[in-house]
Amino acid sequence: GNSVTQMEGPVTLSEEAFLTINCTYTATGYPSLFWYVQYPGEGLQLLLKATKADDKGSNKGFEATYRKETTSFHLEKGSVQVSDSAVYFCALTLMNRDDKIIFGKGTRLHILP
Amino acid sequence: NAGVTQTPKFQVLKTGQSMTLQCAQDMNHNSMYWYRQDPGMGLRLIYYSASEGTTDKGEVPNGYNVSRLNKREFSLRLESAAPSQTSVYFCASSASRTMNTEAFFGQGTRLTVV
Repeated sequence: GNSVTQMEGPVTLSEEAFLTINCTYTATGYPSLFWYVQYPGEGLQLLLKATKADDKGSNKGFEATYRKETTSFHLEKGSVQVSDSAVYFCALTLMNRDDKIIFGKGTRLHILP
Repeated sequence: NAGVTQTPKFQVLKTGQSMTLQCAQDMNHNSMYWYRQDPGMGLRLIYYSASEGTTDKGEVPNGYNVSRLNKREFSLRLESAAPSQTSVYFCASSASRTMNTEAFFGQGTRLTVV
């Protein structure tokens, strides 16, 4: 079946550190890939997306590249800030399929000042 | 811009009570979803609706019913609440699943069943 696996949290980093949150997927067909972010007490909001292989999504200093050969969509940021503390969800959707959005379990990120 | 609006934000129920969670979107989206979020479990889909008049079960539909009242509104009903339904519930909408567009989420309803 279709699924998304992302690294377990929590991840704790110091401000200005480099961030990587791993995400891999299993899908039949050609998925679109997403990263959502959930700040405390709020709903999820889209952070970035990529709709085909080798596309790079970017927003707010975060980046992720759609790697079909490794079925991955790892989230990276060069220098994190305290305000990046949140829960991050990797997700996929599939074209031509009457299906739902498939989410990973989320990774909680803590940034220390 | 309102986006996706959920009511109520907080609710405490006694076991066996019923209630309806309301959700409305003002973006003219076709698809709407109900998720529950539990610690360590991520988001689990309860029900979804691809268009007005259609609904489909998700991963965890037992104990819930839904109504897609019109294109704007998608409600979730708990007929007889159980402690296992204590969770945070999120409504979401998207233009169309097949177009791979993003989902927009409400702020959530924190439900406690005692």
